[in-house]
Amino acid sequence: DAGVIQSPRHEVTEMGQEVTLRCKPISGHNSLFWYRQTMMRGLELLIYFNNNVPIDDSGMPEDRFSAKMPNASFSTLKIQPSEPRDSAVYFCASSFRKFWWAGVKNIQYFGAGTRLSVL
Amino acid sequence: AQKVTQAQTEISVVEKEDVTLDCVYETRDTTYYLFWYKQPPSGELVFLIRRNSFDEQNEISGRYSWNFQKSTSSFNFTITASQVVDSAVYFCALSEAETGNQFYFGTGTSLTVIP
Repeated sequence: DAGVIQSPRHEVTEMGQEVTLRCKPISGHNSLFWYRQTMMRGLELLIYFNNNVPIDDSGMPEDRFSAKMPNASFSTLKIQPSEPRDSAVYFCASSFRKFWWAGVKNIQYFGAGTRLSVL
Repeated sequence: AQKVTQAQTEISVVEKEDVTLDCVYETRDTTYYLFWYKQPPSGELVFLIRRNSFDEQNEISGRYSWNFQKSTSSFNFTITASQVVDSAVYFCALSEAETGNQFYFGTGTSLTVIP
């Protein structure tokens, strides 16, 4: 069974360019999360979706960042324009959330990450 | 305020030693889940264990064991007879019923097992 698939694995771009990161969640999962990991700030939640709807985007750094989930099997995180301080590893994770009282599984499974370098 | 605290930033042990990674959490919710994830040098985050707030039984899986104590708000992770392959960053995380399925991660503990 395929896990969470992220592409590209590595991205090197120049400041000012648009960057698009892609994620395919595990089939059947209904929640999707985007994280950013840096040495200075650790793992930060940027945004998450339930049933393709953005629930909390309070972690998105600024308007240069946007995320979409057009369907249950695909999500994108876009940075436009990119800046050197955006350099980080970006993770996508998915989980299956039902009802809390029904013993929701709630385990997040992570993709391999995209290592972004903005020069 | 940090909801999950991993006070140990880095730990080094010699192979075959036992090591315990500490995790202290903070929540007002009565229903919550605790998790441990492993991030090896290759970079991916691997799920290890999930515990709910109503189950304080300790769990053992091979060389790994977890000690959940609600009285001290701790969920510690012990590796017995450590091996070089255990070298990784380990993250503890909390998920609360009240805030939905958002995870609160600790800052991680970097474990180095020296051969």
